[in-house]
Amino acid sequence: EAGVTQFPSHSVIEKGQTVTLRCDPISGHDNLYWYRRVMGKEIKFLLHFVKESKQDESGMPNNRFLAERTGGTYSTLKVQPAELEDSGVYFCASSIRSGRDYEQYFGPGTRLTVT
Amino acid sequence: AQKITQTQPGMFVQEKEAVTLDCTYDTSDQSYGLFWYKQPSSGEMIFLIYQGSYDEQNATEGRYSLNFQKARKSANLVISASQLGDSAMYFCAMTSEGGYSTLTFGKGTMLLVSP
Repeated sequence: EAGVTQFPSHSVIEKGQTVTLRCDPISGHDNLYWYRRVMGKEIKFLLHFVKESKQDESGMPNNRFLAERTGGTYSTLKVQPAELEDSGVYFCASSIRSGRDYEQYFGPGTRLTVT
Repeated sequence: AQKITQTQPGMFVQEKEAVTLDCTYDTSDQSYGLFWYKQPSSGEMIFLIYQGSYDEQNATEGRYSLNFQKARKSANLVISASQLGDSAMYFCAMTSEGGYSTLTFGKGTMLLVSP
């Protein structure tokens, strides 16, 4: 069974440009999460999809970030326009169910560098 | 709001010895879950162990055990018989019933295992 995959693994862009990150969850996992780790800080929650619906987007930093999950399969996270403080590692995770007890399987992350 | 505190930025241990990684948490929820994840240098986040707040027994998974002390709000990870491959960043995290399983992470502890 394939794990959570993320593309690209690294992205270097200039301030003001647009970047789109992609996450493919484990097949059959309705729950998809985005997290971000800025250097030296904790991994922070961004948002949670249940199928194609946004269950919780309270962690999205501002309206420069747009997440979608078309058809309840893969998800994209677009940053437009990118700022220096957006640099970090963006993780995607999926789980078969939501709730406190269910393990989230993480992807390898996308390292975003904004220069 | 929930908070996870990992006070050890780095830990050193010799191969075959046991090591304890500290984690304390703060929450007003009665029901919550506690997780430990491992992040090797390759970047992926690997689930290690889970403890539910109502579980009376400490969780164990192979060489990993979680020393859960509810009154102290601590959830320390114990790795027995350390191996060189255990060298990695370790994150303590928690969920709660009210958080739709969103994970709140600590800053992590870097563990280095020497021969």
